[in-house]
Amino acid sequence: QLRLQESGPGLLKPSETLSLTCTVSGGSISSRTYYWGWVRQPPGKGLEWIASVYYNGNTYYTPSLRSRLTISLDTSKNQFSLKVASVTAADTAVYYCARIPVGEMIESYYFESWGQGTLVTVSS
Amino acid sequence: SYVLTQPPSLSVAPGKTARITCGGNNIGSKSVQWYQQRPGQAPVLVVYDDSDRPSGIPERFSGSNYENMATLTISRAEAGDEADYYCQVWDTGSDHVVFGGGTKLTVL
Repeated sequence: QLRLQESGPGLLKPSETLSLTCTVSGGSISSRTYYWGWVRQPPGKGLEWIASVYYNGNTYYTPSLRSRLTISLDTSKNQFSLKVASVTAADTAVYYCARIPVGEMIESYYFESWGQGTLVTVSS
Repeated sequence: SYVLTQPPSLSVAPGKTARITCGGNNIGSKSVQWYQQRPGQAPVLVVYDDSDRPSGIPERFSGSNYENMATLTISRAEAGDEADYYCQVWDTGSDHVVFGGGTKLTVL
């Protein structure tokens, strides 16, 4: 059974770099049949997709945050990670990692399995 | 960039049908997904590719998509259906994911 587990610092200061890791069990991140992605949700607000990565290293980023984001795979640990540079209070959110099956068309793009989420607070 | 518009809230009586809408320019040409998020929990996929249901999702949940509006229909609403519901598409024009703002469904 697939399980995704996020881990992160919990609290960090403005201008620092946020590092998040998603540990995957019950499935391989090297599979050609899935993308792996991150979605965040500020307190009391809606969902925001951040980034996705494919097994071959192809990356996709939300345009508004592209310059501050890095998503990557660590196949040796079956993990994928997200870094967000120069954080501000606006980056305070619950961060979810998720699995996206590869469809016949790119338009068929959905988050089929989610982690439980990790709260990240940016505060001085 | 592409915008998805959902009503902020909707109320439905137990046993009745709730229809949650998601508006977007020519959304009928896109594949629409729907997620249910109960308070304090991660989102759960309830409909994908406009009208398909993942295994384990009750048949009471169905989806449709035509022209400029996609709809999630919840039949015979139950108290357990109270949640936030989000629609989502892949915007091929800019190669990124777009979520709607979410609809809070109240069953009372």
